[in-house]
Amino acid sequence: DQQVKQNSPSLSVQEGRISILNCDYTNSMFDYFLWYKKYPAEGPTFLISISSIKDKNEDGRFTVFLNKSAKHLSLHIVPSQPGDSAVYFCAASAGTGKLIFGQGTTLQVKP
Amino acid sequence: GAGVSQTPSNKVTEKGKYVELRCDPISGHTALYWYRQSLGQGPEFLIYFQGTGAADDSGLPNDRFFAVRPEGSVSTLKIQRTERGDSAVYLCASSLGGRAFETQYFGPGTRLLVL
Repeated sequence: DQQVKQNSPSLSVQEGRISILNCDYTNSMFDYFLWYKKYPAEGPTFLISISSIKDKNEDGRFTVFLNKSAKHLSLHIVPSQPGDSAVYFCAASAGTGKLIFGQGTTLQVKP
Repeated sequence: GAGVSQTPSNKVTEKGKYVELRCDPISGHTALYWYRQSLGQGPEFLIYFQGTGAADDSGLPNDRFFAVRPEGSVSTLKIQRTERGDSAVYLCASSLGGRAFETQYFGPGTRLLVL
């Protein structure tokens, strides 16, 4: 049973445009959500997070939106840069450090 | 400062053999996590330690998998009687404490191939 789902395996955008990555979850006990970025042959790197008491968190070019009623979160990257090309994972937690990850979305930003 | 390190970076073994994977967390981090990532999938939680004790081992797939952290720092993931389905990248992460909002820092992983 996949509790965290990223239904788009890949996304391609032009440099300078907005990238929107989506994530859905099923477990209503999740109260903390995170996005990680992964380059080949490296471990995932933390990008941004959001608590379930908020609906938006912004950090520079990265914004995460949370829609609890829809059990949906999204990551917006504006403007997208070629260096953003990587695999992005969303993850969720139910109060502890145990993270449940989605399958990942490969983002390609074209110059 | 030094990040999370994992050794070996690659391990090839034969079906039925025993393997040990090592993780050195960031100094001072009390929480340590093991995840497994299969091809095309996201990391899958295996176990996490708070200090020397396993706080949650609900992700270990069966009793062939075991992990220890005897002194609250370095951890070893042990796999007995390896099977081809155990082939994956094994990731280790550490955080200051064990709470969700504390950033987990990942190592580069150990790529295990069981022939």
